[in-house]
Amino acid sequence: DAGVIQSPRHEVTEMGQEVTLRCKPISGHNSLFWYRQTMMRGLELLIYFNNNVPIDDSGMPEDRFSAKMPNASFSTLKIQPSEPRDSAVYFCASSPPGLAGVNEQFFGPGTRLTVL
Amino acid sequence: DAKTTQPNSMESNEEEPVHLPCNHSTISGTDYIHWYRQLPSQGPEYVIHGLTSNVNNRMASLAIAEDRKSSTLILHRATLRDAAVYYCILRRGPGGTSYGKLTFGQGTILTVHP
Repeated sequence: DAGVIQSPRHEVTEMGQEVTLRCKPISGHNSLFWYRQTMMRGLELLIYFNNNVPIDDSGMPEDRFSAKMPNASFSTLKIQPSEPRDSAVYFCASSPPGLAGVNEQFFGPGTRLTVL
Repeated sequence: DAKTTQPNSMESNEEEPVHLPCNHSTISGTDYIHWYRQLPSQGPEYVIHGLTSNVNNRMASLAIAEDRKSSTLILHRATLRDAAVYYCILRRGPGGTSYGKLTFGQGTILTVHP
């Protein structure tokens, strides 16, 4: 079975450009999470969806960040405009139906974003 | 969310057991104890979780103190592939306001020597 798929794996862009990160969760999973990892702040939850609906977006840093989940098999995280401080590894994770405090999250390989 | 405290780093030799401690003195009754690990240049992966009783799976064992204020992840025979950052995380169970949320701390960097 394919795990969580993220694209692109690496993205280099210039400040001010729009960046779109993509995620395909594991088939049958109904929760999806976007995380960001930096040396300074570690792993932070940005937003999570349950059944395609955003449940908690309190970790989204500012209005430049937006996330969508148009269907159960696809999600995007968009940064517009991008800034150098957005440089990080962005992980997508999904989890199957069940008790949310119990079921494990499956992480993708991440997208390494560099904003020049 | 309740916090966890872990040592910044630990070292082990290959084929020896490793005991990774975690303190969570403010744990609430509905918090599950989860462990994830992150291998170099990879996303985190689930290791094990528990609520009150000790747990075993193919990867590790989880020993939970009777008062639940601490726990220990046990790798029975460390291999070089176990070198990773290990995160101890409390996850609020059903009914909590942060229902299901994973909040990562700094974790413990485990180094395994050949």
